[in-house]
Amino acid sequence: AQSVTQLDSQVPVFEEAPVELRCNYSSSVSVYLFWYVQYPNQGLQLLLKYLSGSTLVESINGFEAEFNKSQTSFHLRKPSVHISDTAEYFCAVSDSGGFKTIFGAGTRLFVKA
Amino acid sequence: NAGVMQNPRHLVRRRGQEARLRCSPMKGHSHVYWYRQLPEEGLKFMVYLQKENIIDESGMPKERFSAEFPKEGPSILRIQQVVRGDSAAYFCASFPGLAGSYEQYFGPGTRLTVT
Repeated sequence: AQSVTQLDSQVPVFEEAPVELRCNYSSSVSVYLFWYVQYPNQGLQLLLKYLSGSTLVESINGFEAEFNKSQTSFHLRKPSVHISDTAEYFCAVSDSGGFKTIFGAGTRLFVKA
Repeated sequence: NAGVMQNPRHLVRRRGQEARLRCSPMKGHSHVYWYRQLPEEGLKFMVYLQKENIIDESGMPKERFSAEFPKEGPSILRIQQVVRGDSAAYFCASFPGLAGSYEQYFGPGTRLTVT
């Protein structure tokens, strides 16, 4: 069975500081990994995904995540956060067919001025 | 290109009433997922439907909850005899169901409050 663990429920950080949101998964088969972002009172939006190929994937707004198979991790990083990055971030793992996706409990990122 | 639509956005029901939540997937998408989000508990899978079929309902409570996705019209999540513990945000997500497409597209959610 697949599972996803997000190690931090809340991460407060000052504007322009770097941030890392941690995600570990468990699966007995090949997986596909995702980060979704949820802004207040909205649905989730895909931030970035790892399907195959380069283990480092990037989003258009400066986030990146690295797939580490040996550590079964897919941590999300940004070198310099903005106030507008304040949101909840969900790590997710999907099976090879893409039909069943398991979400982590979420990490609330709070960027302070 | 309309996204996933959910209505109503907010729903208030008294204990014992029925709640009907609607989800219209993106055009061309034939698969729908329903999730429940409780404060501090993340997103919990409830049910996965294809048009006219329930594929996986392993996350649905055994009683009072049902879901359908008819050939025509939106997907419906129905909660009968609501209780306070049903208060939550309910999200649907649509999925094209094609090989190699893994992203789920989420609607804005319905926030159910049971008084």
